[in-house]
Amino acid sequence: EVQLVQSGGGLVQPGQSLRLSCTTSGFAFGDFAMSWVRQAPGKGPEWIGCIRSKAYGETTEYAASVKGRFTISRDDSKSIAYLEMNSLKTEDTAVYYCTPETYYFDHWGQGTLVTVSS
Amino acid sequence: EIVLTQSPATLSLSPGERATLSCRASQTISHSLGWYQQKPGQAPRLLIYDASFRVTGIPARFSGSGSGTDFTLTISSLEPEDFAVYYCQQHSSWPRSFGRGTKVEIK
Repeated sequence: EVQLVQSGGGLVQPGQSLRLSCTTSGFAFGDFAMSWVRQAPGKGPEWIGCIRSKAYGETTEYAASVKGRFTISRDDSKSIAYLEMNSLKTEDTAVYYCTPETYYFDHWGQGTLVTVSS
Repeated sequence: EIVLTQSPATLSLSPGERATLSCRASQTISHSLGWYQQKPGQAPRLLIYDASFRVTGIPARFSGSGSGTDFTLTISSLEPEDFAVYYCQQHSSWPRSFGRGTKVEIK
């Protein structure tokens, strides 16, 4: 069974940083790209970025809204994906999900709430 | 960036009725489109991929069609558990993008 367990959310002030983790099991983590998707309160999902597998150079893609502030990384030895968020803004407030990507997102973490507020 | 426009924003229907949801892409995306269902407090659930293929376990009342820029999700006869928000998502190009959703509510 595919499982994605997220951790690391919480309340931070604008300008601060936060790192989210996504610990996975039940699938060949190293073979999959991993994406992060967020959903602001009352809004639709927003894809924010992904990291490809080692076979594809662990290259990354980001949405314009987070490029230069957020960094996605992975540790294949532990089957964990990370989302490092810097220079957080109030508009980054959302539930953040990790999900393996096979063009689509058919397994999701439980979501972790990030609140950016002074 | 490919923008997905969903219509209508809200669909008010009764159980047993047919629901037709639309998703239009700002540029052609071939068949690179999926549909998701989301209920309050839950992550989105993939229903349809590649425009018309049902995910294993999804009831046959859900069907997808379309290609290029115009896509449709049809629910042939609404069950009580189908009242939710539906999103389309494209993977034709980066960045991936979702539509803003159609809420199917009970009339």
